[in-house]
Amino acid sequence: DVKVTQSSRYLVKRTGEKVFLECVQDMDHENMFWYRQDPGLGLRLIYFSYDVKMKEKGDIPEGYSVSREKKERFSLILESASTNQTSMYLCASSLMADLAKNIQYFGAGTRLSVL
Amino acid sequence: GQNIDQPTEMTATEGAIVQINCTYQTSGFNGLFWYQQHAGEAPTFLSYNVLDGLEEKGRFSSFLSRSKGYSYLLLKELQMKDSASYLCAVLDSNYQLIWGAGTKLIIKP
Repeated sequence: DVKVTQSSRYLVKRTGEKVFLECVQDMDHENMFWYRQDPGLGLRLIYFSYDVKMKEKGDIPEGYSVSREKKERFSLILESASTNQTSMYLCASSLMADLAKNIQYFGAGTRLSVL
Repeated sequence: GQNIDQPTEMTATEGAIVQINCTYQTSGFNGLFWYQQHAGEAPTFLSYNVLDGLEEKGRFSSFLSRSKGYSYLLLKELQMKDSASYLCAVLDSNYQLIWGAGTKLIIKP
């Protein structure tokens, strides 16, 4: 079974703090994604990566950055957290060979509260 | 713009059948997905349709009409564990997933 692990289920941070959200997958997937999920909205793509050291902006990259130093790990960074970044953050991975079908496997999510 | 519409919430009775609809307007189409998400858990893949018609997988079936920009997820013999949110997503021309807001399905005994 594919396993996508997010380092924290719940985080509480203060405005202006630098926040790191970590995601690790154990199935050698090339593609990794970061989404945020807010009530009443669909999943919104923040950043994605198709390879190590490669990153692409998604629909809402402002205020975020990412790091992919190893194939299995994809980190989301909030350089200076703001209250409007309070959300559920979901990490996902998929196989490059499956790009056309793009079945994504998700972590359980990190619920971030910025006070 | 790109848009996926699905009902916000539905209620059904244990043992019954429920149909969750999804309509979409996207830049291109490379497939439609349904995911299930229990509260506080990860979304999990349920089905994928790229051609018109019905795909059946046990108690769950998914239907697609590309000409109408329409899909539905059909759940039969509902069980309490089917209480969850059901997310519709379309793979657009850039192979990016566009997500609906999800339908919260409440199953009553």
